[in-house]
Amino acid sequence: QSALTQPASVSGSPGQSITISCTGTSSDVGGYNYVSWYQQHPGKAPQVMIYDVRDRPSGVSYRFSGSKSGNTASLTISGLQAEDEADYYCSSYSSSNTYVFGTGTKVTVL
Amino acid sequence: QVHLQESGPGLVKPSQTLSLTCAVSGGSIESGSSFWSWIRQPAGKGLEWLGRINFIGKTDYSHSLNSRVTISSDTSKNQVSLRLSSVTAADTAVYYCARLQRRGYSPEGSFDIWGQGTMVTVSS
Repeated sequence: QSALTQPASVSGSPGQSITISCTGTSSDVGGYNYVSWYQQHPGKAPQVMIYDVRDRPSGVSYRFSGSKSGNTASLTISGLQAEDEADYYCSSYSSSNTYVFGTGTKVTVL
Repeated sequence: QVHLQESGPGLVKPSQTLSLTCAVSGGSIESGSSFWSWIRQPAGKGLEWLGRINFIGKTDYSHSLNSRVTISSDTSKNQVSLRLSSVTAADTAVYYCARLQRRGYSPEGSFDIWGQGTMVTVSS
């Protein structure tokens, strides 16, 4: 049950789009459509931004979108804003009724 | 509006058992669409899922901690508890309680509501 692999950091200028990848295996990301993404600001609890691969909770900006291809899921943030600077984690349901998180990605707005 | 509040000792000695409680308000832990999970985060590191419990008391645990972790619920108090035995310094972390919400007929879901977290330090 290894952590899903994410890039340690991603950066972009305001207004640009960035994409964060989340790579797992056929036992988690590739096997189920229960991938979710979380935003975490320093000292705060995580907040869900995307669930079930591509669905957005009410109140989350349309600038956040999710997708999946094979064993890799992706989170795209379009029209990058200063408030998007945070840590982002993916999560997936895994076999044997467990969940696994990604290693986390620090997003920096230049 | 469902609210989660973790509580428990902030300091635990090595080899002892860590015990935390998550009080749920604004909703019932007996909801059939929800699981109640514990997740932890060491300082400066990533999130780790520890386990969950559902409305009938069925539990699932992380394989890496399976033998040390126990999650239980008290429906009369509307709260969920975590016990982690034989702790070491590696168990020092912020511990979060989170609701795993299923949508529609989906058997699984996402962590849609989180508590503020409680810091636990393992030290003599």
